Amino acid sequence: DGGITQSPKYLFRKEGQNVTLSCEQNLNHDAMYWYRQDPGQGLRLIYYSQIVNDFQKGDIAEGYSVSREKKESFPLTVTSAQKNPTAFYLCASSAYFGLAGSNTGELFFGEGSRLTVL
Amino acid sequence: GNSVTQMEGPVTLSEEAFLTINCTYTATGYPSLFWYVQYPGEGLQLLLKATKADDKGSNKGFEATYRKETTSFHLEKGSVQVSDSAVYFCALDSGYSTLTFGKGTMLLVSP
Repeated sequence: DGGITQSPKYLFRKEGQNVTLSCEQNLNHDAMYWYRQDPGQGLRLIYYSQIVNDFQKGDIAEGYSVSREKKESFPLTVTSAQKNPTAFYLCASSAYFGLAGSNTGELFFGEGSRLTVL
Repeated sequence: GNSVTQMEGPVTLSEEAFLTINCTYTATGYPSLFWYVQYPGEGLQLLLKATKADDKGSNKGFEATYRKETTSFHLEKGSVQVSDSAVYFCALDSGYSTLTFGKGTMLLVSP
């Protein structure tokens, strides 16, 4: 079945360690996104990528890094510079990357990765 | 910048009750509007969308109408079920399919 796979589902990290969250999609979508979800805060955009080898910062990119070497993969690294990394991280993809106001496509989300810093 | 405001929860209803979750937005232009649903421990799923003023999105008995004059996109359902218990997010397209989300409204439906 087509979809988005995030791993691991649960991850524990000690302070000062970097950790990488995996996101793979087999939907042949061009665009991919990383969102962070905190209780009562909704979702906030970390990074997004329109095409391979290109990505853009979202609203809360500080302390995070990404790469887009393959169309199917968009891993997120949470670095030690992220002051409050404990959160639920959601990866998404979209088939259409258009301008606001046009008929943009829906986002397809993975099941999320929950990161806890000990 | 763009923003979405939705009513705080939790919203607690009995089965078969009528549901309204309010959503208003601030944006330049006329962005596409969305409702997403998140079941416990899962990612988000698109529930419905509307791409222009006066459009009505509908799915699984849920409806929402894009109201340009009141900048609103309220979610409604005539008769909720226990299985509708989830968190509902209103969102708008801020460009390049980067969605701006509201904070979410938890719905709890009891038998």
